[in-house]
Amino acid sequence: AQSVTQLGSHVSVSEGALVLLRCNYSSSVPPYLFWYVQYPNQGLQLLLKYTSAATLVKGINGFEAEFKKSETSFHLTKPSAHMSDAAEYFCAVREGGGADGLTFGKGTHLIIQP
Amino acid sequence: SAVISQKPSRDICQRGTSLTIQCQVDSQVTMMFWYRQQPGQSLTLIATANQGSEATYESGFVIDKFPISRPNLTFSTLTVSNMSPEDSSIYLCSVSPTSGGTDTQYFGPGTRLTVL
Repeated sequence: AQSVTQLGSHVSVSEGALVLLRCNYSSSVPPYLFWYVQYPNQGLQLLLKYTSAATLVKGINGFEAEFKKSETSFHLTKPSAHMSDAAEYFCAVREGGGADGLTFGKGTHLIIQP
Repeated sequence: SAVISQKPSRDICQRGTSLTIQCQVDSQVTMMFWYRQQPGQSLTLIATANQGSEATYESGFVIDKFPISRPNLTFSTLTVSNMSPEDSSIYLCSVSPTSGGTDTQYFGPGTRLTVL
């Protein structure tokens, strides 16, 4: 069975600082990995996804993530945080080739300090 | 991408009643999913709904409590039956254009349900 662990339910960074949100997965087959963002009182929006092509994936709003099989990780980064990045971030996994729904991590609330 | 709408956007219901949530997509999609997001929690998959077949439920969710319909490739409903305060959650519809694992799942805006 697949699972996702997001380290840190809350992460606080200063505006302009590096953003690093951690995600580790467990999957019995090569996974497909996703990062979603949820702004207050809004639905989920896809930031980026890994589908076994390039291990470094670039997404919207300056975010990127690197798939590291040896570490079973898919951490999300952004070089310089902006106040508008404050939101809830969810990492999700889907086992390769399947027609299944996503398994989500518990989410990380990103706080941007002015 | 797919544009998804849900009705109602929010509702307050009494214990013991039922609520049907509608999900409409602007294009034909193969896979539709229903998720629940309890207050302050992550998303949990309730079931997968394919057109022309019975919905597939995840562990902990049963058809009697969460009956689902999928009459065509653009529409689905989820009913929350015999509600209790523990059912207070955001219910989200999600779609995947095809059945491929690499497909992005697009999410609707959610239905915020409060049960008194």
